[in-house]
Amino acid sequence: AQKVTQAQTEISVVEKEDVTLDCVYETRDTTYYLFWYKQPPSGELVFLIRRNSFDEQNEISGRYSWNFQKSTSSFNFTITASQVVDSAVYFCALRPYSGAGSYQLTFGKGTKLSVIP
Amino acid sequence: DAGITQSPRHKVTETGTPVTLRCHQTENHRYMYWYRQDPGHGLRLIHYSYGVKDTDKGEVSDGYSVSRSKTEDFLLTLESATSSQTSVYFCAISQGGGRDEQYFGPGTRLTVT
Repeated sequence: AQKVTQAQTEISVVEKEDVTLDCVYETRDTTYYLFWYKQPPSGELVFLIRRNSFDEQNEISGRYSWNFQKSTSSFNFTITASQVVDSAVYFCALRPYSGAGSYQLTFGKGTKLSVIP
Repeated sequence: DAGITQSPRHKVTETGTPVTLRCHQTENHRYMYWYRQDPGHGLRLIHYSYGVKDTDKGEVSDGYSVSRSKTEDFLLTLESATSSQTSVYFCAISQGGGRDEQYFGPGTRLTVT
């Protein structure tokens, strides 16, 4: 069975602060994918990043960065110099690389980020 | 943005009535999915399709059926809607073949009274 835990239900930061969203996962698969999605107040789900379990290189995209640590089963997401437009619910998700159930994304329950001007 | 539309976007229906939600894509992606989103549960997979007429169950499939007669359309049917099926329903698509990120439609808010 797979499980994704986002322990932070809600976070509030003041604009320009850095913020890290935590994601811890459980899986018995040796290879898998990890994802982050953003759901702004308008409701749509926006794909942010996919990470393969066999690639532990961290990634940076503008103000966004992701820290993947297989040893601790974590895939944390940091926003640098947060902006009001970053206010959203962020979801971490997991799926097997192959085999039965490989089509199914297992989502965490999300972290609601509020950036206060 | 991936070309995914869902219809209707909002629907209110009564308990016991049949309801069909439609997902339409213009990306020619092989895989299509239906999820529901509920407070405290995140998103959960209902059914998915890996090709025309090829479908399978997800985590929360009871009370739902699906059909896919064309690559671009994936229908979700509630044969007899119940109040527990009040939710926001999202369709998603993916290419497969190593391009496994799923792209989501705008969602359908369904209320069963």
